[in-house]
Amino acid sequence: DTAVSQTPKYLVTQMGNDKSIKCEQNLGHDTMYWYKQDSKKFLKIMFSYNNKELIINETVPNRFSPKSPDKAHLNLHINSLELGDSAVYFCASSRGSYNEQFFGPGTRLTVL
Amino acid sequence: GQQLNQSPQSMFIQEGEDVSMNCTSSSIFNTWLWYKQDPGEGPVLLIALYKAGELTSNGRLTAQFGITRKDSFLNISASIPSDVGIYFCAGPVRGSGGGADGLTFGKGTHLIIQP
Repeated sequence: DTAVSQTPKYLVTQMGNDKSIKCEQNLGHDTMYWYKQDSKKFLKIMFSYNNKELIINETVPNRFSPKSPDKAHLNLHINSLELGDSAVYFCASSRGSYNEQFFGPGTRLTVL
Repeated sequence: GQQLNQSPQSMFIQEGEDVSMNCTSSSIFNTWLWYKQDPGEGPVLLIALYKAGELTSNGRLTAQFGITRKDSFLNISASIPSDVGIYFCAGPVRGSGGGADGLTFGKGTHLIIQP
């Protein structure tokens, strides 16, 4: 069974469109995260969320917003996509603020 | 967030050789994590370190939490072809806090093994 899953695996879209990436974890974790990995493989935290608090990295544009329908899901919505948004986006989860995080397989977003 | 300096950036080695990589920070960390990423996949946790001076093994992998709490090392013994990938060090964004703010990552060490 997949612990952290993301859909879609690949997403190709036009500039200006709005898109969503879904993430689900079946580990029973209560904290979930979104990371962005650029073309140089640098990983950067975007959001961290549990049912009490959303922590936003100050460098993330407000076109990006996480939405959590329940504890097992944290979806990423992106409005007005720009060329620079092209990257691989990873979802992760952990138990509380425990540092060990488990990552999904990633979604490669390409904005044309 | 804290900056992690990871080296070397890449390594070209022969199968069977031992590998060493390290990560340093200008600030104290209370946790060091080592991840491996295969092409097209997400990072996979290899070793977690929680105590200064701690030495932890996972098969052929050994990692150490530096005594100053500002560095960590990962060693791979007798490398095999499946060790190819990118290795990342990571720690809490705030260095000495919990992980709820997310992790900060080093820039990775690309390991390439020549048969």
